Amino acid sequence: EIVLTQSPGTLSLSPGERATLSCRASQSVTSNYLGWYQQKPGQAPRLLIFGASRRATGIPDRFSGRGSGTDFTLTIDRLEPEDFAVYYCQQHGSSPITFGQGTRLEIK
Amino acid sequence: EVQLVESGGGLVQPGGSLRLSCAASGFTFSTYYMSWVRQAPGKGLEWVATIKQDGSENYYVDSVKGRFTISRDNAKNSLYMQMSVLRVEDTAVYYCARSQYLRFDVFDIWGQGAMVTVSP
Repeated sequence: EIVLTQSPGTLSLSPGERATLSCRASQSVTSNYLGWYQQKPGQAPRLLIFGASRRATGIPDRFSGRGSGTDFTLTIDRLEPEDFAVYYCQQHGSSPITFGQGTRLEIK
Repeated sequence: EVQLVESGGGLVQPGGSLRLSCAASGFTFSTYYMSWVRQAPGKGLEWVATIKQDGSENYYVDSVKGRFTISRDNAKNSLYMQMSVLRVEDTAVYYCARSQYLRFDVFDIWGQGAMVTVSP
């Protein structure tokens, strides 16, 4: 099973700043099959990024993903108030599908 | 509008059973792999099970194998999860989710979730 470790656990930033979230895999993620989700309290997760760097439908271009192998990054430029949430990475290159433990992005 | 709506959650005692349902609309349900993903209170996300478009193949996380059964009825645009021998650690919000393209994939559409509480 691939273990995904996200860092930091909590990130405190102000609106307008840039957020950089990390996701490290315990072994290489096949074909960069890695996605990112945003989850707000009481809501279902929302897909942001798939294939490590491809934005899902309707996702603003201030969200970007990059990385390969075992190291992946989600960057959020020019933070908006609605971006403060919990973010999860997920790999689907190997069974079982696994998620990271999440990074909480909070308003500073 | 593309939508998934879960139902059937509730409170059950350890060792008991429960059946979750998920009604799909707004897309051609029969052409997608479908999955269940759960989230224990205050915790992260855990993939539970996936079913092929025609129901001929199912995949489960080890912790639920032999206890949970995923199924679907394409004529009714519905996904199901029969949960048996429930444990306290199965307590979670259970989300119905659409796999984007592949058998194992990202989940591009999610339901609002159904809460399952397993408690004496």
